[in-house]
Amino acid sequence: GNSVTQMEGPVTLSEEAFLTINCTYTATGYPSLFWYVQYPGEGLQLLLKATKADDKGSNKGFEATYRKETTSFHLEKGSVQVSDSAVYFCALTPPSNTGKLIFGQGTTLQVKP
Amino acid sequence: DTGVSQDPRHKITKRGQNVTFRCDPISEHNRLYWYRQTLGQGPEFLTYFQNEAQLEKSRLLSDRFSAERPKGSFSTLEIQRTEQGDSAMYLCASSVGLAESNEQFFGPGTRLTVL
Repeated sequence: GNSVTQMEGPVTLSEEAFLTINCTYTATGYPSLFWYVQYPGEGLQLLLKATKADDKGSNKGFEATYRKETTSFHLEKGSVQVSDSAVYFCALTPPSNTGKLIFGQGTTLQVKP
Repeated sequence: DTGVSQDPRHKITKRGQNVTFRCDPISEHNRLYWYRQTLGQGPEFLTYFQNEAQLEKSRLLSDRFSAERPKGSFSTLEIQRTEQGDSAMYLCASSVGLAESNEQFFGPGTRLTVL
């Protein structure tokens, strides 16, 4: 079946530290891959996506590369800010054209000044 | 800013009662999705509509759950004979077009507590 596994949280970093949140997936065919973010008190919103192998999604200084060979889509940011504190969800849509999202369990990031 | 809206935001009910939630998607969006999220977990897919047609239902959606999108605009999700295990956040999302990679826009959710 299709599934997404994320690293356990919470992740606590100091401001300007380097961030990596690991995400691996299991899927048949070639899914599309996403990172969604949920800031405190707000709804889920798309952070970035990649639709085919070796694509790199990027937004707001965050990046993730679609790695077919390792079935991974790790989220990285070179220098985190306090305002990046949120819950991050890795997700995929199977290649079935329904567009339904299959989410990982989420990783809480707390950035301290 | 006319994003996805959901009503009510919070619902407390007693076990065995019926509840109904409403979702208003972004106006030109033809796809509408329902998800359920429990504490500490990612959202789980429940069902989706393309215009007014319900095209897929998850096995999570027992026969106590029913969803409609009668005119291809707003959608309702009804839970009959609620159980304590139904307590969760119910999320609605919408998207435009048919590509599986299209961005879904999420509403704020309806938090259901079953006592």
